[in-house]
Amino acid sequence: GESVGLHLPTLSVQEGDNSIINCAYSNSASDYFIWYKQESGKGPQFIIDIRSNMDKRQGQRVTVLLNKTVKHLSLQIAATQPGDSAVYFCAVNNQGGKLIFGQGTELSVKP
Amino acid sequence: GAGVSQSPSNKVTEKGKDVELRCDPISGHTALYWYRQSLGQGLEFLIYFQGNSAPDKSGLPSDRFSAERTGGSVSTLTIQRTQQEDSAVYLCASSLERQEAQYFGPGTRLLVL
Repeated sequence: GESVGLHLPTLSVQEGDNSIINCAYSNSASDYFIWYKQESGKGPQFIIDIRSNMDKRQGQRVTVLLNKTVKHLSLQIAATQPGDSAVYFCAVNNQGGKLIFGQGTELSVKP
Repeated sequence: GAGVSQSPSNKVTEKGKDVELRCDPISGHTALYWYRQSLGQGLEFLIYFQGNSAPDKSGLPSDRFSAERTGGSVSTLTIQRTQQEDSAVYLCASSLERQEAQYFGPGTRLLVL
């Protein structure tokens, strides 16, 4: 099966700095990856996704990097803002429908 | 447009009672998913519906859990004879097709006393 882990359960950054949140997965057949943001009391909010035929994808202030060789995924947030404070989850899809989620990294942004 | 909606937003029940949780997916989405999130944890897959195919029930934790999707739209997750360990947030998501972005509702917070 698939397991998904994150390197750090918490991350604290200064407002305006860049944030990097990491994720590792176990199954080399995994082919679709998503990052979610979850604020307290809310459902996960889709941020960005990437498929296995790509190694980088950019959105507004966010970039996802995929390294299939070492089975590693990262989310980079540029110019982090207080509104970015939340728990961030990576999720992995292994050629099926269901997503396997990591445990989450809580991002705190200091003003 | 409207996102995924879930009801009720909160549910308190007594151990041994049955509960029904409802999910209205985004219109036109063919795939619907249920996940469970315990306090401070990641999301745990429960069940997945894709069009008219047989659902993937591989994540249901026991036979007390069941789900239906009527008319390819609304879904109901039923938990029979609830136990205290069933207390969690139950999240529903939908996607346009399989292996497309899944969009989540706000969840139903279930507390079993």
